Amino acid sequence: AQSVTQPDIHITVSEGASLELRCNYSYGATPYLFWYVQSPGQGLQLLLKYFSGDTLVQGIKGFEAEFKRSQSSFNLRKPSVHWSDAAEYFCAVNQGGKLIFGQGTELSVKP
Amino acid sequence: GAVVSQHPSWVICKSGTSVKIECRSLDFQATTMFWYRQFPKQSLMLMATSNEGSKATYEQGVEKDKFLINHASLTLSTLTVTSAHPEDSSFYICSATNRRSGSGDTQYFGPGTRLTVL
Repeated sequence: AQSVTQPDIHITVSEGASLELRCNYSYGATPYLFWYVQSPGQGLQLLLKYFSGDTLVQGIKGFEAEFKRSQSSFNLRKPSVHWSDAAEYFCAVNQGGKLIFGQGTELSVKP
Repeated sequence: GAVVSQHPSWVICKSGTSVKIECRSLDFQATTMFWYRQFPKQSLMLMATSNEGSKATYEQGVEKDKFLINHASLTLSTLTVTSAHPEDSSFYICSATNRRSGSGDTQYFGPGTRLTVL
């Protein structure tokens, strides 16, 4: 069975600083990978997704992610964090039409 | 595009009553809808998958008689929590996808429904 690991439960960064959220997956073939963001009390919003092709994927809100097959990783990055980026971030992989989620990473932003 | 709505956004009910939650895809046809449950500070737990016009497929450990799912049209799925008890209190989130669209089964999520059972 596939699994997704987000090693960091909570990350705090200063506003304006760069951000990288880690995601590792286990899957034999080329996975369909997703990053979602969830604000408190809200549903999930799709930030970006990777199916094939260019391994650097651009998403909404200035986010990008890079698929690295050799490292089984799909890390999310943003060059300059804004206070409004504070939220919970979930990495997910598609397994047979179902999403397998990581445990989530809570991002706090310091002024 | 790809907007999913849920109604109600929050509901409080008495123990023993039933509650229905609606999930609608507003601007696309949803061949498949999913229902998730989320506890505070935790990830999403898939409860069931429903395909339009057929019976839902429940995940292991989810009581199908307690959580009734109906997906009668390509834009609407409902989750009914029957004989609700306080332990059913949770945040319920639906998602929808169109498997005929070639979008790689991308799921679009609703805003969630907070259920509190007294």
